[in-house]
Amino acid sequence: GQQVQQSPTSLVLQEGENAELQCNFSTSLNSMQWFYQRPGGSLISVFYNPSGTKQSGRLTSTTVIKERRSSLHISSSQITDSGTYLCAMRTGGYKVVFGSGTRLLVSP
Amino acid sequence: GPKVLQIPSHQIIDMGQMVTLNCDPVSNHLYFYWYKQILGQQMEFLVNFYNGKVMEKSKLFKDQFSVERPDGSYFTLKIQPTALEDSAVYFCASSPPGLGVYEQYFGPGTRLTVL
Repeated sequence: GQQVQQSPTSLVLQEGENAELQCNFSTSLNSMQWFYQRPGGSLISVFYNPSGTKQSGRLTSTTVIKERRSSLHISSSQITDSGTYLCAMRTGGYKVVFGSGTRLLVSP
Repeated sequence: GPKVLQIPSHQIIDMGQMVTLNCDPVSNHLYFYWYKQILGQQMEFLVNFYNGKVMEKSKLFKDQFSVERPDGSYFTLKIQPTALEDSAVYFCASSPPGLGVYEQYFGPGTRLTVL
């Protein structure tokens, strides 16, 4: 079955609103990384966050291993935040499993 | 920040031919990965490579696929022969040794079109 459930599938915000993106895992994990995928396709690492909370500017990631979930919070969204956000987990070994992504559109 | 390069950015090839996709990982990285993403679909793990060996591969890593990194040069993905379903964007990633071993850095991708 699907090991990584990402929600919501898509999200439309007005500029300035906040967003909360979620990833839930069906198995235990030993690493977690959030990526931003540009419409052109390249991936940019947003957070490498295997556990706890990390913050960078308007972005905050929280991973709770016991609850098998990770979240990405975007505050005061901007038009340039638009794109697809992907979470990726590693359960053990070297295989990495990606979520299906959240498509974020921030409008003026 | 650290950059992974991929060459070429686009490749168009006839079905049945061989193709080699090239990845130039971050210089001190030791772990290398290939992923496949069909347009509009999920990113799928293909293979992980370390110390000259395939450490783990997925079901998508068919017998027609092979990887190598001869003498610290490009990390390559070779497909021989290609099939129509191999059309996708292929992403290379690398990870450093030590504590950051699970943090991946991605290249911009190679768009492969098999006709």
